[in-house]
Amino acid sequence: SYVLAQPPSVSVAPGQTARIPCEGTNIGGKSVHWYQQRPGQAPVLVVYNDGDRPSGIPERFSGSNYGNTATLTINRVEAGDEADYYCQVWDGSSDQWVFGGGTKVTV
Amino acid sequence: EVQLVESGGGLVQPGGSLRLSCVASGFSVSSNYLSWVRQAPGKGLEWVSILYSGGWTYYADSVQGRFTVSRDNAKNTFHLQMNNLRDDDTAVYYCARDSDSGSREYFQYWGQGTLVTVSS
Repeated sequence: SYVLAQPPSVSVAPGQTARIPCEGTNIGGKSVHWYQQRPGQAPVLVVYNDGDRPSGIPERFSGSNYGNTATLTINRVEAGDEADYYCQVWDGSSDQWVFGGGTKVTV
Repeated sequence: EVQLVESGGGLVQPGGSLRLSCVASGFSVSSNYLSWVRQAPGKGLEWVSILYSGGWTYYADSVQGRFTVSRDNAKNTFHLQMNNLRDDDTAVYYCARDSDSGSREYFQYWGQGTLVTVSS
């Protein structure tokens, strides 16, 4: 089965840029989606199809995907961005939806 | 406005059964891809199952043969029947829906979750 790997944690100072990697074999050939989950809350989609943003998500959130690594970038980080972030792909070869292990962003 | 509200969670003994429900509003459950995603305490997200609008179903290997998804179009509700529950099924269970564009690849809408605890 397809596996996605994320670092457990990332620390960033307010106003700086956070980059969260998501590694998978030839992940560049898949569409990657990202979710934000604040403590005690349901996940929220923040980026889909590698780099598109749903309505209401700030432009500070962006994504890229190439080779074996997809990256969620959060520019001008704010205290409210402190949360767990999960990458996710659809593995069409097995009809399985796969999540990374999650990255805790500390501001 | 799309809303999803789960119910049915609770405490159940190992080997027992439980049925979760997700009441949908703002769309028709017969027209969308409907999923269940769970999160064990202090752990990450794990996809559990999906029900296609055409009726096909897919399951994670960890629940295959024990869990069944279904829907009730008249009540605009979908369900997760969980049988032969194990300790490691303990989790918050979220129902989720596909995107407004119809892509089944990701989950645009989520409920608030319902806690299932499997313990003797």
